[in-house]
Formats: sequence, C-alpha cells, structure tokens
Amino acid sequence: GENVEQHPSTLSVQEGDSAVIKCTYSDSASNYFPWYKQELGKGPQLIIDIRSNVGEKKDQRIAVTLNKTAKHFSLHITETQPEDSAVYFCAALGGYGGATNKLIFGTGTLLAVQP
Amino acid sequence: IAGITQAPTSQILAAGRRMTLRCTQDMRHNAMYWYRQDLGLGLRLIHYSNTAGTTGKGEVPDGYSVSRANTDDFPLTLASAVPSQTSVYFCASSAGTGTGNEQFFGPGTRLTVL
Repeated sequence: GENVEQHPSTLSVQEGDSAVIKCTYSDSASNYFPWYKQELGKGPQLIIDIRSNVGEKKDQRIAVTLNKTAKHFSLHITETQPEDSAVYFCAALGGYGGATNKLIFGTGTLLAVQP
Repeated sequence: IAGITQAPTSQILAAGRRMTLRCTQDMRHNAMYWYRQDLGLGLRLIHYSNTAGTTGKGEVPDGYSVSRANTDDFPLTLASAVPSQTSVYFCASSAGTGTGNEQFFGPGTRLTVL
C-alpha cells in the first residue's frame, strides 16, 4: 500500500521568509496529492492540491510542486505571515481496494512563523 | 450552514466501556470518513462510507465499527474501549468518491480511555 513520509517535523521561520515542506510517496500509481492546514483545536482544511498530470500549481503565496519520477512533492509558502503558523499535512491517494478517494497522510509539519 | 458537526467535543472513558462518536453533515455529501490523529503518526483512516447503506474498512479498523443508515449521519462505535484508542477522532465528508473530491473535516472529538 501507499506510504507517505513528510519532512521536517518542525519548521521555524521569520515572518516574510519562505517555508518549504517536503513529502515522498511510495505508490507510483498515486495521482492526487492534497495539502491540509490544521490550526490548533480545529480539523484539517484543504489549502491546495495537485494532480499527477501537472508539475506545479500556485495559489497566491502557496505553491505545490510534484516530481513523479522521484515520487516527491513539496509545499512552498512565500512571504510567510504569523497566521501561517499551523500544522501542515501532505497526503496521497492510497488504495484499500474498492472505490478511490481514500487518502494516506504524512505525519505533519509544525510551522512556526516568528514575527 | 454548519458543515460537519461532531459530538462530544471530548470524553473520558473507562476501559471496557462502549462509546459512540457522532458525526453529522449537512452538505448532502455521498462519502464520509473517520480518521484518528495521533502525535507523530498523522491521520489514519479507520472506516469509510462511499454512500448511504455501504461501509468499508480503512487502514486501522480493528476495535471500531460504523453504520451509515442515511446520508447525513456516520457514527463510530467503540464496542469495548482500550487505552490505545486514546486519540483525537475526525469525521470527514466529500461530495463524491472520485479522485480529487475535497474532504471536509469536522472539529474533532478528543477521546481519553483510562
């Protein structure tokens, strides 16, 4: 089955700097890679996703890149702000048999943006 | 629109007791999911339901059961709780089961089994 590894587990940056979180996956058949942001005491919320037919996707200060050959994908946050502080999870579509849309999550990255 | 609601918010439970975590969504989503979140392990899928009347096992289903009698509700039951089931439980839903259907998460239930 699919396995997703995420690094680093914690990341501290100064406000205005960029932050990069990296994930690798094991199943070459995976074709969908979402990123979730989880604020303290809340459930995860989708912030951006990418499908395997594109190499990069941007949404304002957030971008995701995908390298299918190396089986890794990364989240890039530019011009970080204190409100970006949260736990970020990557995920890949994993199969348990039957229907699709079952996600395998990474272990999370705690991002702290220092003012 | 509330989205997804979960109850209770938190619960302390004695080992061996039965517990049902409730999840309700008002988005008329077909698919629903239960995850547990443990420090250092991320979110792991317990059970899922692609549509009302059907359920399936996820990554860590042992010790848990679910039912999907209607579109809106997806309760998770621990028949006989054990301390290793101490975790934060999240319910999620998506409109469909095709690749890329966004999963929306509830606020979570923090469960402690003593």
